[in-house]
Amino acid sequence: GAVVSQHPSRVICKSGTSVKIECRSLDFQATTMFWYRQFPKQSLMLMATSNEGSKATYEQGVEKDKFLINHASLTLSTLTVTSAHPEDSSFYICSARVLRAGVSYEQYFGPGTRLTVT
Amino acid sequence: DAKTTQPPSMDCAEGRAANLPCNHSTISGNEYVYWYRQIHSQGPQYIIHGLKNNETNEMASLIITEDRKSSTLILPHATLRDTAVYYCIVRAPGAGSYQLTFGKGTKLSVIP
Repeated sequence: GAVVSQHPSRVICKSGTSVKIECRSLDFQATTMFWYRQFPKQSLMLMATSNEGSKATYEQGVEKDKFLINHASLTLSTLTVTSAHPEDSSFYICSARVLRAGVSYEQYFGPGTRLTVT
Repeated sequence: DAKTTQPPSMDCAEGRAANLPCNHSTISGNEYVYWYRQIHSQGPQYIIHGLKNNETNEMASLIITEDRKSSTLILPHATLRDTAVYYCIVRAPGAGSYQLTFGKGTKLSVIP
């Protein structure tokens, strides 16, 4: 249980175009999903917290108009990188939160999406 | 969330136990210790978590000191597929503690 998928796994796009990444919780409902970004040889950095049916909360320094997040259902969140530039090339990872045993929240991660902007 | 300190890298011979330490001297009473790992070019994978008692599952064991200021993740028989970056994270489990904050972790290399 607690499987999170991402699509696509890899995408190459030209500078100036937009790219959408999907994150799905396959066997559970997630009211909260998170988007992380990871540059080579660095750790994961949280970009935003996405709550179903409401606006996402962005971390400091993350442009909300550039990284559009939609969490329209309990199993799907999308991240759209608008007007992508080469410096947006990175590994994007989503995770979903689930309540376990009515006590603690656990986070499960998707496999990641490698974005390359040329 | 409390800050953690981990060695940047460790080596372990295949088939031997891998013991990964983590210091979390400022941990609060309601904060759990979580361990995740990230194999190259994949998303992080949950391993185990605990509050104060030692925990064991099919992947690993977690030993937490009595004062809870440090812990050790034990992979009893390391294989080459255990080569990964291991992250120790301390956080409270409640809804208000939304996100996991990742440090630099320990890069474990399992050597044949």
